[in-house]
Amino acid sequence: RKEVEQDPGPFNVPEGATVAFNCTYSNSASQSFFWYRQDCRKEPKLLMSVYSSGNEDGRFTAQLNRASQYISLLIRDSKLSDSATYLCVVNDDAGGTSYGKLTFGQGTILTVHP
Amino acid sequence: NAGVTQTPKFQVLKTGQSMTLQCAQDMNHNSMYWYRQDPGMGLRLIYYSASEGTTDKGEVPNGYNVSRLNKREFSLRLESAAPSQTSVYFCASRVGQSLGYTFGSGTRLTVV
Repeated sequence: RKEVEQDPGPFNVPEGATVAFNCTYSNSASQSFFWYRQDCRKEPKLLMSVYSSGNEDGRFTAQLNRASQYISLLIRDSKLSDSATYLCVVNDDAGGTSYGKLTFGQGTILTVHP
Repeated sequence: NAGVTQTPKFQVLKTGQSMTLQCAQDMNHNSMYWYRQDPGMGLRLIYYSASEGTTDKGEVPNGYNVSRLNKREFSLRLESAAPSQTSVYFCASRVGQSLGYTFGSGTRLTVV
């Protein structure tokens, strides 16, 4: 079983649509969670952290369910510029003073069309 | 606002050649990482350095070596390149556990 699993898509949605991405992780000791965005032939960039209580940043809402080991990202009112690959990312529990390392899902491809 | 700088951006090697990928960050981050990204495989960790003076293997370390030269610099070396090492390589750094990575712009390596 992969440590972090995502539906690879692709998701093709019209402008203005609401789209949701899901992700599951296998390590119950994972402590930090993130969504990254990666544009074609570019480096991944942090979109948002995911907190236990859920959090929102403009049109983006992230949710975490620790009991089910499940993370989600909701994008409302999709824009053409939202077209990218979205990566679900989990921080392994390193213990001690180490920050551990991030494990990436394979990514979900989103295309928003006019 | 340099962030994480990787060099070179592109490289073509012949099988058996060696090279070093350079990475430097100017954000005073403790931890640095090298990943490779391949189609259908996602980002996989090669090596990381939790702090200056330490390095550890990641998921796919075979065929690579690293050096944490100082707090700013973390290099990745291919001693004898193989076609299977054709990939996009990303360096990243991080300041804290609750924070994500800052990535460099990547090195596109082709081994022929």
